[in-house]
Amino acid sequence: EVQLVESGGDSVQPGGSLRLSCAASGFTFSSYWMHWVRQAPGKGLVWVSRVYSDGSSTSYVDSVKGRFTISRDNAKSTLYLQINSLRAEDTAVYFCARGGKTVLDYWGQGTLVTVSS
Amino acid sequence: QTVVTQEPSFSVSPGGTVTLTCGLSSGSVSTSYYPSWYQQTPGQAPRTLIYSTNTRSSGVPDRFSGSILGNKAALTITGAQADDESDYYCALYMGSGLVFGGGTKLTVL
Repeated sequence: EVQLVESGGDSVQPGGSLRLSCAASGFTFSSYWMHWVRQAPGKGLVWVSRVYSDGSSTSYVDSVKGRFTISRDNAKSTLYLQINSLRAEDTAVYFCARGGKTVLDYWGQGTLVTVSS
Repeated sequence: QTVVTQEPSFSVSPGGTVTLTCGLSSGSVSTSYYPSWYQQTPGQAPRTLIYSTNTRSSGVPDRFSGSILGNKAALTITGAQADDESDYYCALYMGSGLVFGGGTKLTVL
């Protein structure tokens, strides 16, 4: 059974940093692209970032470029999202998702990031 | 900046058929955008329904189908059930990543 379990969400002050993790199991992690998607309270889904299966290429939505870094450790079957210079508008549930170039096929339950002074 | 558009809300009677659409603020949706559809109930993770326009994800009942209708992608639910009451999101592949629509809140009543 495919499982994705996010962790690392917390309440932080503006300008702070966090590292989110997504532990994967039940499939060959190194064979799949992985993505982060976020959802602000009461709002819709927003695709944030993706990383190739071997980590060689990454992509980001414009609003997070230069502040977020996606990475992965295939030996640990774990996906990461380093979030720096946090802003109030980054407050959201962050989901990791398995997928490919054009689809997200399995989702984790999400981890909540709250940015507030 | 291109925006992906969806109806904010829709209602359907139990047993009825409803078609939700996914368009672009500028231009037409085609299979080249690989439209996908996701279902989300409050407090839960999204569930993948359809990908590559019309391929059902594993375990998704055939009441759910995807297509291109005119210049939009479409998700059709036939024989609507009470537990279909959810938010539905489409996503389009835009080259560097995916772009989600704003979602449609479907009410079954």
